[in-house]
Amino acid sequence: AQSVTQLDSQVPVFEEAPVELRCNYSSSVSVYLFWYVQYPNQGLQLLLKYLSGSTLVKGINGFEAEFNKSQTSFHLRKPSVHISDTAEYFCAVSPTSNTGKLIFGQGTTLQVKP
Amino acid sequence: DVKVTQSSRYLVKRTGEKVFLECVQDMDHENMFWYRQDPGLGLRLIYFSYDVKMKEKGDIPEGYSVSREKKERFSLILESASTNQTSMYLCASSGTSPLHFGNGTRLTVT
Repeated sequence: AQSVTQLDSQVPVFEEAPVELRCNYSSSVSVYLFWYVQYPNQGLQLLLKYLSGSTLVKGINGFEAEFNKSQTSFHLRKPSVHISDTAEYFCAVSPTSNTGKLIFGQGTTLQVKP
Repeated sequence: DVKVTQSSRYLVKRTGEKVFLECVQDMDHENMFWYRQDPGLGLRLIYFSYDVKMKEKGDIPEGYSVSREKKERFSLILESASTNQTSMYLCASSGTSPLHFGNGTRLTVT
């Protein structure tokens, strides 16, 4: 069975500092990986996805993630965060190309402080 | 842009009531999903559907059922609501693209 672990439940960071949100997955088959963001009182919005090809994936709002197969990780990074990045971030994995049936991690709350 | 609309943002129901959560998407997507979101647990899949009148159980289907009579509409039904079903419910749809989510329905069962 597949699973996703987000290693930090909360990450506080000051504005303009870099941030990394960690995600590890377990799977015996090839996977497709995703990061979603949820702003307060909203649904989830896709930040970026890894389906194949380059292991460094760029997404919206200046975020990027790197797929590391040997470490089964897909960490999310941003070099300089803004107050508006305060949100909950979810890592997710799908075992098939049907990208709807996702398995989500527990979520990481990013708190950007002025 | 894809729009997934959930009919209610907030609902308060009593234990034992039958509850309907409605979801409509406007992009002719084949696939629709219901997730439940709880703090510290992330999102868990309740039911999904790949076609009209078709449904499959997700990871936590107990206490829930679904209905998909039309392609654009996917309803989640709580036959007899219980307090442990108090949660945020998120509907999503997809075609060949990744999931698009609605804004969620926060259900409180008292």
